[in-house]
Amino acid sequence: AQSVTQLGSHVSVSEGALVLLRCNYSSSVPPYLFWYVQYPNQGLQLLLKYTTGATLVKGINGFEAEFKKSETSFHLTKPSAHMSDAAEYFCAVRATGGFKTIFGAGTRLFVKA
Amino acid sequence: GAGVSQSPSNKVTEKGKDVELRCDPISGHTALYWYRQSLGQGLEFLIYFQGNSAPDKSGLPSDRFSAERTGGSVSTLTIQRTQQEDSAVYLCASSFADREKIFGPGTRLTVL
Repeated sequence: AQSVTQLGSHVSVSEGALVLLRCNYSSSVPPYLFWYVQYPNQGLQLLLKYTTGATLVKGINGFEAEFKKSETSFHLTKPSAHMSDAAEYFCAVRATGGFKTIFGAGTRLFVKA
Repeated sequence: GAGVSQSPSNKVTEKGKDVELRCDPISGHTALYWYRQSLGQGLEFLIYFQGNSAPDKSGLPSDRFSAERTGGSVSTLTIQRTQQEDSAVYLCASSFADREKIFGPGTRLTVL
């Protein structure tokens, strides 16, 4: 079985500051890991994903995440926040070869001017 | 169409009424998923369809919820005898096999 924990339901950063959204997962089999973003009144968009290979994954809009098996983590980072990054971010896990994706509760990112 | 579409975009209903939510997946996508997003909650898996296989209904919260997918394309999620706790955004997604899920804009259901 898989599960996802996102630490912090709300994160607030200043424009230009580092963004760090935390995600820990549990999985009995090697996982696929995802980050999705949801802008207000819109559906979810895939930011980035880890399946196999390089553990540092780069996504759209300057975001990246690193798969750390020893820590069962897949934290999302961006060096410099922009006002347009304000949204809700969801971490998700899926078992290799499976179809069911389990989502975390989400973290709402606020960006202050 | 180019994306996943859902209708209606908003639905307000009275407690005890039945509602039907529709999802039109991307043409050719073999897998279709329904999720529920409640205020302050993450996405709760409800059901998924994969090709002609029996659907995985393990996420349906009660027997008031059902879904079908006709002809391997359009899907309808039905909620019978709606309750106030059913109020949420219902999201549909589709994918080709196990590739990236494409989400629709959702249907916001409000049960008065």
